[in-house]
Amino acid sequence: DQQVKQNSPSLSVQEGRISILNCDYTNSMFDYFLWYKKYPAEGPTFLISISSIKDKNEDGRFTVFLNKSAKHLSLHIVPSQPGDSAVYFCAAVRQGGSEKLVFGKGMKLTVNP
Amino acid sequence: DTGVSQDPRHKITKRGQNVTFRCDPISEHNRLYWYRQTLGQGPEFLTYFQNEAQLEKSRLLSDRFSAERPKGSFSTLEIQRTEQGDSAMYLCASSYAGGGDEKLFFGSGTQLSVL
Repeated sequence: DQQVKQNSPSLSVQEGRISILNCDYTNSMFDYFLWYKKYPAEGPTFLISISSIKDKNEDGRFTVFLNKSAKHLSLHIVPSQPGDSAVYFCAAVRQGGSEKLVFGKGMKLTVNP
Repeated sequence: DTGVSQDPRHKITKRGQNVTFRCDPISEHNRLYWYRQTLGQGPEFLTYFQNEAQLEKSRLLSDRFSAERPKGSFSTLEIQRTEQGDSAMYLCASSYAGGGDEKLFFGSGTQLSVL
């Protein structure tokens, strides 16, 4: 039972263009969402997060949008750079508990020069 | 801040052997998590500690798995009688509970291969 879903396994974009990574969740108790980036042979590193009381959070080239009614969030990267090529994981958590993150399966982003 | 440290980075073992992994969290963090990641999947929660207390264990954590955090600092994860299905990346993460920030900091993981 996948509570956090990243339905597209991969995405390829040209350098300078926008990358849009999507994520859906099923558990309405989740109230905090995070994106992690992972390079091969390394652990995931935190990228950006959003609380359910917001619908947008921006940090430099990275923006996360949350649509609670649709239980959907997306990560926008603009402009995309070759160094952004990695696997991106969407994660969700219910605050006030164990803070146990539930991850999606990940999406491999390739940014071509 | 030296980050979360895991040792070893790689472990190859034969089926039936016992293995132990170590995790050193960020020093001021009171929560420590173990996750497992297999190819094509996201990290899956195994267990977590707040200080030295193990507060939750996943159904994925069979009785061959045991985790400890004896003094509320480093943690060990032991797998007894390893099976080929145990082959995975074992990730440790830490966080500070009560800081209002649910962000976990991950180590580089231990890649286990069971032959």
